[in-house]
Amino acid sequence: DQQVKQNSPSLSVQEGRISILNCDYTNSMFDYFLWYKKYPAEGPTFLISISSIKDKNEDGRFTVFLNKSAKHLSLHIVPSQPGDSAVYFCAAYTSGTYKYIFGTGTRLKVLA
Amino acid sequence: NAGVTQTPKFRVLKTGQSMTLLCAQDMNHEYMYWYRQDPGMGLRLIHYSVGEGTTAKGEVPDGYNVSRLKKQNFLLGLESAAPSQTSVYFCASSLGGLAGGRDTQYFGPGTRLTVL
Repeated sequence: DQQVKQNSPSLSVQEGRISILNCDYTNSMFDYFLWYKKYPAEGPTFLISISSIKDKNEDGRFTVFLNKSAKHLSLHIVPSQPGDSAVYFCAAYTSGTYKYIFGTGTRLKVLA
Repeated sequence: NAGVTQTPKFRVLKTGQSMTLLCAQDMNHEYMYWYRQDPGMGLRLIHYSVGEGTTAKGEVPDGYNVSRLKKQNFLLGLESAAPSQTSVYFCASSLGGLAGGRDTQYFGPGTRLTVL
């Protein structure tokens, strides 16, 4: 049973436009969420996080929105740049479990 | 700081062979993790450790063993490799402590393992 789902395997966006990556979860016990970016042949790198007590967190061009009632989070990248082309994973965490549950990833391609 | 390093980077095994993957971190992190990444499956947790001398099972522990004899190292062993263990393996570490596991994980570059 996939507790964290990224239903879009891929997304293409023009440079300068907004990229929106989505993530849905089923476990209401998750209280912390993260987004990671992964380039080919490299390990994932941390991008941005959000606690379940917030509905928005912003860091430069990256904003994460959390809708707890819908069990949905999204990552907005504005403006998108070619260097943002990568696979993006969302991950969810329940305090005390020490474990993150990862989604399957969305491959973002930003077209110049 | 090298961060999180993994050896080897690539390996080809025959069914039934054994091997050990080494993960090392120089950030004095308490927590360490082993994941595998398969197409369409995302990252799945194999085993993890919340401190030197401790280990625990993750989502997909069968066929793997781990050891954390030193704080900076986390070893993943395959005793009798199977084709189903063909995957990319990632090690990660996090600070732990007061944040528990609720903090950023730093990943190594991965080990690509093929079992024939």
